[in-house]
Amino acid sequence: LAKTTQPISMDSYEGQEVNITCSHNNIATNDYITWYQQFPSQGPRFIIQGYKTKVTNEVASLFIPADRKSSTLSLPRVSLSDTAVYYCLVGINDMRFGAGTRLTVKP
Amino acid sequence: DSGVTQTPKHLITATGQRVTLRCSPRSGDLSVYWYQQSLDQGLQFLIQYYNGEERAKGNILERFSAQQFPDLHSELNLSSLELGDSALYFCASSSLPSMNTEAFFGQGTRLTVV
Repeated sequence: LAKTTQPISMDSYEGQEVNITCSHNNIATNDYITWYQQFPSQGPRFIIQGYKTKVTNEVASLFIPADRKSSTLSLPRVSLSDTAVYYCLVGINDMRFGAGTRLTVKP
Repeated sequence: DSGVTQTPKHLITATGQRVTLRCSPRSGDLSVYWYQQSLDQGLQFLIQYYNGEERAKGNILERFSAQQFPDLHSELNLSSLELGDSALYFCASSSLPSMNTEAFFGQGTRLTVV
């Protein structure tokens, strides 16, 4: 199982771009990288998934370098409502969420 | 609305008792996962079922058990409850037997043991 490492917390201000990096040095060839968002007292919500290079959807972008040993979730122009915990998951059978990154967006 | 339904939403019970939490996955999803989240703690993976069969087991206590029925709904049974079992219990479902795909979480069952 690929172990992931993320910053415990990050602060940002409204309107800024936020980049959260996840390290996964032991990623396997067939592993995808998946990010979830969780608000207090709610179940996590899928944000984005990728395998290599760059993936973009209406919510975020995911950047994955060629060696795939890390990935960066990019949230453009965050708002107060983006305050949440963000989890990175790697591996076909990885169902264990780490501590995640607690993002606080300030006015 | 994720399409995953968990009942009940809230449950208050006494120590030593037994409760059953129910999860109905999204239509068509064969995989069900159970997670426990204590106050300000991370998500602890408990167990996964895929098409009726146990597929993976996490940090599930022996006092806890689960099953997935032919109609694909799942139940998590918690017995000999202790104060420390108070937590939010989430169920998630996905179409594939892997969390490394888009999984959908329910709103959770908040269990309070008094």
